[in-house]
Amino acid sequence: DTEVTQTPKHLVMGMTNKKSLKCEQHMGHRAMYWYKQKAKKPPELMFVYSYEKLSINESVPSRFSPECPNSSLLNLHLHALQPEDSALYLCASSQVGQTQETQYFGPGTRLLVL
Amino acid sequence: DAKTTQPPSMDCAEGRAANLPCNHSTISGNEYVYWYRQIHSQGPQYIIHGLKNNETNEMASLIITEDRKSSTLILPHATLRDTAVYYCIVRFPHSGGYQKVTFGTGTKLQVIP
Repeated sequence: DTEVTQTPKHLVMGMTNKKSLKCEQHMGHRAMYWYKQKAKKPPELMFVYSYEKLSINESVPSRFSPECPNSSLLNLHLHALQPEDSALYLCASSQVGQTQETQYFGPGTRLLVL
Repeated sequence: DAKTTQPPSMDCAEGRAANLPCNHSTISGNEYVYWYRQIHSQGPQYIIHGLKNNETNEMASLIITEDRKSSTLILPHATLRDTAVYYCIVRFPHSGGYQKVTFGTGTKLQVIP
């Protein structure tokens, strides 16, 4: 199983809502990632978790709150978002400790903030 | 990680080879060259990677110049399903074990029937 799943596929939320994005993988990968991708732009790294601990936060606003409850799950909690946060949110995973390992990406959650 | 330069777009006739160039003139000795692609509205997909030698897998071939300052991804027989944005990425193997991948702007490949 080389699949990373993300739910929901689409999400529409208001600026006062609280919502969560979910990512799951069962490849035994111990590194998981959140990326944000605006239309016609490349993906931009937001967060990296390694062994369920936050290793990189790329100066992401606090209205985005990541969580890694176990080695298979990664969540992104959203609160008080702005319309400019509308984007495709991608999750990825990879092995840890393998210098040539690649990242496996999920299909993404397309978020619209009204 | 070294910066990469790719043409913004390319066309290729279906059934012909697609040759996608990437310039990485500031690459360091132990930086790898990776290629990913992103089909419209999907997550990026790993294609191939290499350090010095040319590499081939079931999807593509990677040709790296001897000075390692540039590389070419070759899709030997392009199909309509190969229409995508292709990203060339150069990065160090990360000491922390995880990977910090920085995507450039990529090349939009359009395969034409």
